[in-house]
Amino acid sequence: ETGVTQTPRHLVMGMTNKKSLKCEQHLGHNAMYWYKQSAKKPLELMFVYNFKEQTENNSVPSRFSPECPNSSHLFLHLHTLQPEDSALYLCASSQERGSGGLLETQYFGPGTRLLVL
Amino acid sequence: AQTVTQSQPEMSVQEAETVTLSCTYDTSENNYYLFWYKQPPSRQMILVIRQEAYKQQNATENRFSVNFQKAAKSFSLKISDSQLGDTAMYFCAFMKHRSGAQKLVFGQGTRLTINP
Repeated sequence: ETGVTQTPRHLVMGMTNKKSLKCEQHLGHNAMYWYKQSAKKPLELMFVYNFKEQTENNSVPSRFSPECPNSSHLFLHLHTLQPEDSALYLCASSQERGSGGLLETQYFGPGTRLLVL
Repeated sequence: AQTVTQSQPEMSVQEAETVTLSCTYDTSENNYYLFWYKQPPSRQMILVIRQEAYKQQNATENRFSVNFQKAAKSFSLKISDSQLGDTAMYFCAFMKHRSGAQKLVFGQGTRLTINP
């Protein structure tokens, strides 16, 4: 257990469905991340939230919509996905300490395996 | 842009042997962090070891150690006395040394199998 939980662990959805992935961290961190892991590709960063503010959107299609209501929770809302969006979606969190150069290690959740039919 | 390259897609060794996984990276940054993460079949990404680029001393964590060559931009992972539980995908990752939340840039991964 890394202190980061994700639900659901598995999700199958049709292209017209709307679903949400949830991530919760119990580490007291203030930064949260969504990564996508597709077969035979390196992990790709999707979104970064720092103190609940989105600080990076890595050119992600609008059919993925993140939400960070507080520092402990992160959602990824999905709608009208495509089959190529099938992947493992990983959430991570870290403690961003601001300038000063302290090492911020990212801790990952177990992931949600998504299959889009 | 930073890139991370793991040139060994798969490796296989016998239990108790020592194995070294390679990683090279490309960056113009002088200060940064490097990580090795392990992803077993459960898919949970677990931190194995980390290194700050400004530290010359190689990081060690029990059976895991790194060989960090900053000039060569090389960051290899050595696993000593390998165990069956070390079987996993291993990812090398790079992060800039900046204020604010920073993204990890991952390599393609090396699939390591420890055989009994």
